[in-house]
Amino acid sequence: EAGVVQSPRYKIIEKKQPVAFWCNPISGHNTLYWYLQNLGQGPELLIRYENEEAVDDSQLPKDRFSAERLKGVDSTLKIQPAELGDSAVYLCASSRGQGADNEQFFGPGTRLTVL
Amino acid sequence: AQKVTQAQTEISVVEKEDVTLDCVYETRDTTYYLFWYKQPPSGELVFLIRRNSFDEQNEISGRYSWNFQKSTSSFNFTITASQVVDSAVYFCALSEAFTGGGNKLTFGTGTQLKVEL
Repeated sequence: EAGVVQSPRYKIIEKKQPVAFWCNPISGHNTLYWYLQNLGQGPELLIRYENEEAVDDSQLPKDRFSAERLKGVDSTLKIQPAELGDSAVYLCASSRGQGADNEQFFGPGTRLTVL
Repeated sequence: AQKVTQAQTEISVVEKEDVTLDCVYETRDTTYYLFWYKQPPSGELVFLIRRNSFDEQNEISGRYSWNFQKSTSSFNFTITASQVVDSAVYFCALSEAFTGGGNKLTFGTGTQLKVEL
């Protein structure tokens, strides 16, 4: 079974430029999560999808961040425009079932550097 | 609000030593789940264990063992006879269920474990 796929693995951009990250979850996983991980910190949830619906985006800075999961499979997270403070690792995860005992499977992440 | 504290930022041990990683959590939920994840240098978080709030039995899996004590809100992780391949950042996480599916993980800040020869 293939794991969660993310691309690109690394991205370096200048501030004020747009950037997009792509995630393909494990086949059959209806729930998809985007996390932000700052250096030396644990991941923090940005947005959660159930199929194509964003059911929790309360932590997503909506002035510059957007996300979509149009067909309920892969997903794109966008930042426009990027700021210096956006430099971090962006992790995607997916899970199959429902409930608090769900195991989330994580991708390798995209490391973003904003210059 | 849920909170997970991993007070140990970094631990260094020599191979074959035993090491314990501490995790203390806060929650108002009566039903919850605790997780441990490993993050090697490659960056991908790897699931290690899940424990529900009603099961306080300790668990052992090979060189790994977990001690869950509800009375002290702790879920500590011990690696016996550590190996260089155990070097990674270890995260403890607390889960709350979302209505309609999925769960929200609240992570601690992680403990960097370095195992040297």
